[in-house]
Order: sequence, then structure tokens, then C-alpha cells
Amino acid sequence: EVQLLESGGGLVQPGGSLRLSCSVSGFTFSNYALSWVRQAPGKGLEWVSAISGAGDGYRTWYVDSVRGRFTISRDNSRNTVYLQMNSLRAEDTAVYYCAKDKRFPDDVFDIWGQGTMVTVSS
Amino acid sequence: DIQMTQSPSSLSASVGDRVTITCQASQDIRKSLNWYQQRPGKAPELLIYDASNLETGVPSRFSGSGSGTDFTFTISSLQPQDFATYYCQQNVGLPTFGQGTKVEVK
Repeated sequence: EVQLLESGGGLVQPGGSLRLSCSVSGFTFSNYALSWVRQAPGKGLEWVSAISGAGDGYRTWYVDSVRGRFTISRDNSRNTVYLQMNSLRAEDTAVYYCAKDKRFPDDVFDIWGQGTMVTVSS
Repeated sequence: DIQMTQSPSSLSASVGDRVTITCQASQDIRKSLNWYQQRPGKAPELLIYDASNLETGVPSRFSGSGSGTDFTFTISSLQPQDFATYYCQQNVGLPTFGQGTKVEVK
């Protein structure tokens, strides 16, 4: 069974940092792109960042609002993708989901984790 | 960025009703349009990909159509478990989502 499990969320002060992890199982991790998608309380979905798989050279992409502050990475030996979040702002408060691409890389998100909550507040 | 405009933002319906949601892209996205369902407190689930392909395991009462800039999502006969929020998403450029349509009990 394909599973994604996020962790690392919590309460952080504005300007602080947090690292989210997404541990995956049930598929050949290195072959697939993975994304982070967030959802602010009571709001819609916003794609945040993606990292491609082995066949596409592990390229990375970011939404404009987090570029330069967030860094996505992956450790194929641990089947884990990370989101390092620095200079956090109140508007980064959201549930952060990890999502897997359905195919080589296509940004069709067929499997999602359960999410981890990030709260940025003093 | 490609903007996705979904309508309506909410609708009220009864079990057995036919429900239709539309999604418009700010530029031509060919058939690169996906639909997700999100129940309260849960992660989104993929229902339709490439505008009209039903994801494995998804009931056939769900369907999608369209290409270019205009897309439609339909539930042919609404079931109790279908009361949820639905999102469209394009995957031509960097992914963007519509604002969501909440399907509520009439």
C-alpha cells in the first residue's frame, strides 16, 4: 500500500524556522516527483513546492511566495522528502500536505499524506 | 501563473441530484485539468485526471469533460458521501487550484 506520512509541524514564532518531513512507502521513491501543498485554515489548496525524481534530475520548483525562504529536498536512502521553511510569516500558517505525482512527473497528485499543521504566531 | 476560476463557490443539493461544477483557466491548458474531492478534516483525493479520466477506484457517477479553457465536473446522482468540497487543478505550468466548490445538503 502506498503511504505518505508527514511530520514536523508545530507552533513557531514569526521569523523562525521549521523542517517538515514526508516519509513514504509502497512505491519506488526515487522514480517519482513529490510536492508540498498547503491549506490555510478555512481556505483552499495552494501548491507550494515540488522536487522531481531520478529521471528528471531532482529539479525543484517553488511558488513565488515562498521562493528564497523554503527549500525542498529528498533523501532517497530514507524514502523521505523534506521542506525546510525559514523566515516564517503568519501567512504561512496552514496544514501542509505531501503529495505524490501519479506519473513521471506530471503534477497530478494521486496519493496524499494526512497533513501536518504549521502555526506561525507570537 | 495560470489562474483557475471555479463556479459556483458553493451549492445546495439533495441526494440523487445531478451536480455540475465548472472551472475556467486563464489560458489554454489543453486537457491538463484534474478534479479532487476533500471531505472535512481529510486530505484531498484525486477523482478525475487529464480532464476526463476516472481515477482507479472512483465511482462512475463522477465524470469530467472539457479542453482548452473550459471544463465541467459532474456528479450524476449525488450520494450522501459526496457532500464535500471539490477543487479543480491545472498541471500545465506550476500547479494551481481553483478556489473550491462546497457541496452542501439542501
